[in-house]
Amino acid sequence: ETGVTQSPTHLIKTRGQQVTLRCSSQSGHNTVSWYQQALGQGPQFIFQYYREEENGRGNFPPRFSGLQFPNYSSELNVNALELDDSALYLCASSLGAGEYNEQFFGPGTRLTVL
Amino acid sequence: AQSVTQLDSQVPVFEEAPVELRCNYSSSVSVYLFWYVQYPNQGLQLLLKYLSGSTLVKGINGFEAEFNKSQTSFHLRKPSVHISDTAEYFCAVSSSGGSYIPTFGRGTSLIVHP
Repeated sequence: ETGVTQSPTHLIKTRGQQVTLRCSSQSGHNTVSWYQQALGQGPQFIFQYYREEENGRGNFPPRFSGLQFPNYSSELNVNALELDDSALYLCASSLGAGEYNEQFFGPGTRLTVL
Repeated sequence: AQSVTQLDSQVPVFEEAPVELRCNYSSSVSVYLFWYVQYPNQGLQLLLKYLSGSTLVKGINGFEAEFNKSQTSFHLRKPSVHISDTAEYFCAVSSSGGSYIPTFGRGTSLIVHP
């Protein structure tokens, strides 16, 4: 059973650019959640996708957008990058959207915005 | 709105000693509570969760936590820690009903000394 994988591992961008981060969910999982973890902070929920539909969103501006594909893999897109977007971006997959379904996390993508 | 406060940013302890990591939450509705562990350069792993029922919850790696509704707390305990328990620990809360949209605390760094 393959776990949650994320790509790329590290990424450096400049302010104003756009970035796409990718996540492959664990086999059989139909739900993907994205989190932003700034240095020294806890993860902050960005949004969740359940069966290709957005199923909940945290307090992030519209320039953070996502997509879930028929195979349940997912992308996180961030437009007009700002310095404060520098963080570890975590993806988690689960079998279902509710709290009864354990989320399995990937290792994250470290984004640095210069 | 819901929030989580992890009262200690860092907890140093000697190997084989007991440890308690403190977590307090606030919410206007019923909650679900979680503890996650994050090892260096890795994603988060679920240690345990409280959804309903017994207020004493046992998790992986010998950890347990007790839900105290009157004190709005969910402290994590382990009777005897190992060097390998050195990691960052996050408490999270999610309001009951609907999708799982968690709010995480800022984390407690557990440092186990030989």
